[in-house]
Order: sequence, then structure tokens, then C-alpha cells
Amino acid sequence: DTAVSQTPKYLVTQMGNDKSIKCEQNLGHDTMYWYKQDSKKFLKIMFSYNNKELIINETVPNRFSPKSPDKAHLNLHINSLELGDSAVYFCASSQEQRGGLETQYFGPGTRLLVL
Amino acid sequence: DAKTTQPPSMDCAEGRAANLPCNHSTISGNEYVYWYRQIHSQGPQYIIHGLKNNETNEMASLIITEDRKSSTLILPHATLRDTAVYYCIVRRETGYALNFGKGTSLLVTP
Repeated sequence: DTAVSQTPKYLVTQMGNDKSIKCEQNLGHDTMYWYKQDSKKFLKIMFSYNNKELIINETVPNRFSPKSPDKAHLNLHINSLELGDSAVYFCASSQEQRGGLETQYFGPGTRLLVL
Repeated sequence: DAKTTQPPSMDCAEGRAANLPCNHSTISGNEYVYWYRQIHSQGPQYIIHGLKNNETNEMASLIITEDRKSSTLILPHATLRDTAVYYCIVRRETGYALNFGKGTSLLVTP
């Protein structure tokens, strides 16, 4: 019944490795997001996809590449991992509704630790 | 999107009302006020939103001043499970990212 799910929940890896984080939503939403929450707890947008098309791409290193195979999935691939990539990564999804309401539903987060 | 200002932390006794203020003095006429919260180690959770009128749902009430330059989120009967960081966010366009500030860390005490 999980609305937005992420795998893995925890990821510990060495510097220089390449890793992927997967996100799936079963809400039928057409927009998905990746946010990063650093050690100071600031939560910042990285990417946003609408109907599999990239609509937001903040100043994120090009080592980070989102991939949306379909509307229900938005995966995040990270090349050449660095110590500073250690953070919690949250996936979210949303669907525009009337009255300006657009609730974003967040996944449980993926805790990435780069050693 | 307009910038928001919130107190960094607040305390509230269990069972009492928690009133969380937010200043958004540069808000535009077509911008909504949203509130989300993040309980420790979880993803953010939507609470409520409003444009001009006060709003209430099963989680909270949102009071927006007439000039729309500030708002207050009210948790009418705070419980220990309401301990979280509460974010006030002002945004215009749907389909775009939420700009989370530092939020208010609310501690509900027994």
C-alpha cells in the first residue's frame, strides 16, 4: 500500500563508486521529484520530472543523472561518488488538482553514506 | 516564490494548542501558503494549505491574516507524535518544487 517507495533505504559505499537509487509511486501522479537533505537538515530540490520529461534541474553536478522509464518511476544514478554526496535523498510525487492544491507525497528516504 | 520566516524552535505541552507562526511579507496575490512537517527520519508530510481564507482539516487549522503577510498553523491538541520540524512554504506554480526553509522545530512535552 506504500504510496511512494524508495530502494534501498540505506546505502553505504566507497568513494568513486557508481550507485543507483530507485523510486516508485503507485498514486498515478504525473510529476516526480528528487530532493536532497544534507547533514544540516536543509532539504533542497534536485530534479523534477513531469510525464517522463525533465522540468527542473537545479545546480546539481552532472554526476547525478535522473532516469524516468515511465510515469511511476524516477531513478537517480550517481557516478563517481564523493564524500559530500552523503545525505538523505527523498523522492516525491504530485498531481495538480483544482484550487491550487498540489500535495507532494514523499518517500521514506534513502540514507547514503560515502566512505 | 516568496521567502518565509519562522522561529527556529518552539515548545508545547501535550494536549495544549500549538500555534506556529510564519511571516511571508513579500507574498504575491497568486501565491499559496503551504505547511508541511517532517517527523524525525521520515519524509516530509503535507498538512494544510490556503490562499486567503482560513482553512481547517483533520490535522490542523491555518489562519492567514487579512493582508496575507503572515499566517499561523494551529495544532489544536498537540500530542507527542506531533514533535517534528514544521515548514511554512509559499509557492505560486503547481508542478514545481517546494522551497523548504529551516522550519520550526516543535517539541511537544508530556
